[in-house]
Amino acid sequence: QLQLQESGPGLVKPSETLSLTCTVSGGSISSSSYYWGWIRQPPGKGLEWIGSIYYSGSTYYNPSLKSRVTISVDTSKNQFSLKLSSVTAADTAVYYCAREQWLPNDAFDIWGQGTMVTVSS
Amino acid sequence: SSELTQDPAVSVALGQTVRITCQGDSLRSYYASWYQQKPGQAPVLVIYGKNNRPSGIPDRFSGSSSGNTASLTITGAQAEDEADYYCNSRDSSGNHLRVFGGGTKLTVL
Repeated sequence: QLQLQESGPGLVKPSETLSLTCTVSGGSISSSSYYWGWIRQPPGKGLEWIGSIYYSGSTYYNPSLKSRVTISVDTSKNQFSLKLSSVTAADTAVYYCAREQWLPNDAFDIWGQGTMVTVSS
Repeated sequence: SSELTQDPAVSVALGQTVRITCQGDSLRSYYASWYQQKPGQAPVLVIYGKNNRPSGIPDRFSGSSSGNTASLTITGAQAEDEADYYCNSRDSSGNHLRVFGGGTKLTVL
């Protein structure tokens, strides 16, 4: 049973860089069938796609966040990571990692439990 | 602003049928996927592709699409179906970029 687990600091200071890691267990991140994505949800608000990565390193980012986001993959550790720079209070959210199926049946089919990140001094 | 539009709230009487819709130009070319989210929990995929249910999702959940509108239908809504529902698809540019709808709060009366 494939599982994803987010990890990282729960508190980040304004203007600093948010760094999270998603560890994939029960399966290989190097599967050719999937991308791996990050999604966030501010308190009381909806879901926002941040970006996705393929095991080869190909990335796609939300244009609204692209200038601040870097997603990377470490196949040797079966992990992928998110870095979001110059954070503000607006980046306070629950951050989820998820496995992403591709065409024709696009879907985020397996999700991590999420990790709350608060941006505050 | 989201490129996928959902009604903020919908209600349904217990045991009745409810349709939750998602509108957007990209839906003319790509399927939507649908997610159920209960308070304090991660989203769960309930429908993807033309009308596919992941293992463990009850068959009262179904999906359809027409033109620029995708729909999630719950036939015989149960109390446990009360949740937020989000649609997701590619953006209208046709690239890999993904977008979520704003979400629909379903209340089961």
